Amino acid sequence: QTVVTQEPSRTVSPGGTVTLTCGSSTGAVTSGYLPNWFQHKPGQAPRALIYSTSNKHSWTPARFSGSLLGGKAALTLSGVQPEDEAEYYCLLYYGAGWVFGGGTKLTVL
Amino acid sequence: QVQLVQSGAEVKNPGASVKVSCKASGYTFTGYLIHWVRQAPGQGLEWMGGIDPNNGGTNYAQKFQGRVAMPRDTSITTAYMELSGLTFDDTAVYYCVRELVGGFFDYWGQGTVVTVSS
Repeated sequence: QTVVTQEPSRTVSPGGTVTLTCGSSTGAVTSGYLPNWFQHKPGQAPRALIYSTSNKHSWTPARFSGSLLGGKAALTLSGVQPEDEAEYYCLLYYGAGWVFGGGTKLTVL
Repeated sequence: QVQLVQSGAEVKNPGASVKVSCKASGYTFTGYLIHWVRQAPGQGLEWMGGIDPNNGGTNYAQKFQGRVAMPRDTSITTAYMELSGLTFDDTAVYYCVRELVGGFFDYWGQGTVVTVSS
C-alpha cells in the first residue's frame, strides 16, 4: 500500500518562513506525481493552493510556493500570516489513482 | 462562477447505503473530472475515487471497490457518490472536488456530513 508522508506538525512565528514536505513510499517524488497542495481549516471545505508541483491558482497568495526538494514535493510559506494556521495536505498521482498525505498541522505563534 | 453544491446531511443505520449529490454550475460539466474525498472525525483527507462526466468512466480507490459507485446525470450536471454496506467507520464529511485532467484540482463542494449510527 502506497503511503504519502508529511510532517505531523510544524510551528512558525508570524513573518517567518516554513517548508512543508511530501514524500512517497515508492521513492522520489517527481513532477509526474502531479503534486497538489491544499489548505484545510476546521469547519470549511479544503482550499486548493498549488497544482502540478508549483503552479498557483488565481486566489493563491504570493507567499505560498511549491517545488521539488530532496526527492519530495514541498510547500513553502514565506512571510507567514496568522491566518495561515491550518492543516495542509499534499496529493500525489500514482496512475491507478490519487493518495493524500496525512497532513501537516501548521501552528503560527 | 463555478460552484459545486452538495446535498444535505444524512444519518444512516449500519448496513444501509447513502447517496450524496454534487450539483455543478458555472462551467462545462463534461469538461472536468469530479472526485470524491472524505474526512472521518480526527482523521485526514482520503481520496475515494473519481468520474469523467464526459463518458461516465470511473476510477475507485482499491479500499472502496465493490462498495462505492459514482454515477452522474449530465442532463442536470450532477455527480453522485453511492456508498453501500455502511459501518460506523464511514461516518465522515464527504466532499466533491473538480479536476481538469492533468492534475489541476481547484473547486470543492461544501461537504456533506454522513453519520452512521444505530
